[in-house]
Amino acid sequence: QTVLTQPPSASGTPGQRVTISCSGSSSNVGRNTVNWYQQLPGTAPKFLIYSNNQRPSGVPDRFSGSKSGTSASLAISGLQSEDEADYHCATWDDSLKNWVFGGGTKLTVL
Amino acid sequence: QVQLQESGPGLVKPSQTLSLTCAISGDSVSSKNAAWNWIRQSPSRGLEWLGRTFYRSKWSNDYEVSMKSRVTVNPDTSKNQFSLQLSSVTPEDTAVYYCVRSQDGHFDVWGRGTRVTVSS
Repeated sequence: QTVLTQPPSASGTPGQRVTISCSGSSSNVGRNTVNWYQQLPGTAPKFLIYSNNQRPSGVPDRFSGSKSGTSASLAISGLQSEDEADYHCATWDDSLKNWVFGGGTKLTVL
Repeated sequence: QVQLQESGPGLVKPSQTLSLTCAISGDSVSSKNAAWNWIRQSPSRGLEWLGRTFYRSKWSNDYEVSMKSRVTVNPDTSKNQFSLQLSSVTPEDTAVYYCVRSQDGHFDVWGRGTRVTVSS
C-alpha cells in the first residue's frame, strides 16, 4: 500500500551490523535523494540521515545510508539497545508530486 | 531552537471537518528557506504526508494527490502558525497528526504530535 517498500521488521544482537532496505521506483528513489527517520517508542520521528548518506550533527557515525538505482539502505553498526526503534525512509515522488514514505521497519535488539 | 506545537480537538465526528493549528517558535512561517507540512501516522497506513505551505515570492501549497479534494493547509502570518483542515472525515482519518518543518529536502523539525479520533 505504501509507495516505498521496507521490511516490516529487523533484528540483531548488541554489537552487530544491521541493514534496512527501502525500495522504490524511477519516479521517486531513482530520481531523488532519500531520507531516513528514527522513531523511538512513543515519540515523534527524528531525522537521522538526509540526502542519501548525510548525518545531521549529533547522529553517531554508527548510522550510515546509501542509495543505488531505485533502492536505498540504512546501516547501523555496533548495534546498541537504544537503537531499538522504528525506522522510516522517505523521498519526493516526481510523478505523484508529493512526499512518499516506506511502511517503516521495527528494529529489535535481541 | 525551532519548536512546533500542534493543537486542536482530539475527537471529531464523522463527516465533519478536522481542524488543527501548529504554533511555530524559533522560525517564521514566512521563511523563504522552509516549508510547513502536515504528516499523519496510523498503525494501518504508517506515515502519510498530507500537504504543505511555503513562501518564496508568494504563498504556495502542495497536497497529497489522493487527498487533494479534502485537505487545506494555510499560513497565519499574524500568529506565526499554520493550520490543517481535513473535510468529510471518516474513522479512517483517525491518526496522530504531526506538524513538521522541511528544509533542504528533508523533514528536520517535528512537533510532538496530536492524536485525533474520528468517532460518533
